[in-house]
Amino acid sequence: TQLLEQSPQFLSIQEGENLTVYCNSSSVFSSLQWYRQEPGEGPVLLVTVVTGGEVKKLKRLTFQFGDARKDSSLHITAAQPGDTGLYLCAGVETSGSRLTFGEGTQLTVNP
Amino acid sequence: ETGVTQSPTHLIKTRGQQVTLRCSSQSGHNTVSWYQQALGQGPQFIFQYYREEENGRGNFPPRFSGLQFPNYSSELNVNALELDDSALYLCASSLEFRPLHFGNGTRLTVT
Repeated sequence: TQLLEQSPQFLSIQEGENLTVYCNSSSVFSSLQWYRQEPGEGPVLLVTVVTGGEVKKLKRLTFQFGDARKDSSLHITAAQPGDTGLYLCAGVETSGSRLTFGEGTQLTVNP
Repeated sequence: ETGVTQSPTHLIKTRGQQVTLRCSSQSGHNTVSWYQQALGQGPQFIFQYYREEENGRGNFPPRFSGLQFPNYSSELNVNALELDDSALYLCASSLEFRPLHFGNGTRLTVT
């Protein structure tokens, strides 16, 4: 069974601080995705990383995929209250038929 | 373009009853996936339908069943409801196996 572990589970910070969320897998996926989910809504795709060592930036968010394609991180610079939400990493199987999600990191950014 | 819509948004059922949840996929999408998200956890894959055929199933008992119609909309049926079935049920659509677009889910409460 492929598992994804995210850390930390909860994170509460002040506006303007930086943070990093980690996602570690027990095995290799064909690619890895990061989602953000707000209360009452479905997850929204932020990024897909495919190649080992890949780094992608989305405004103040930086996503890294480990060289072995088994771990990933999400770094947010100068967090804002609008960044509050549940951040989920998900491994994509080679067949593309399913996503395996981590437990999520609940981020709260206080003004 | 119309996004993924799910109905109903909230539902309360009694243990032992049966429930049907509905999903209209995004225009042009031929693949529908269903996920169960318990409170405080990441979504868990239930099954996927591609062009009206089941294309992968997660670790859920047979009382969870589904259907995809010619217009690619989908239903999730759960028989003999148990208390642990209380969760947010998410539907996601895609074209072939490209990144998923999630609906906002149906919140099911079993009492």
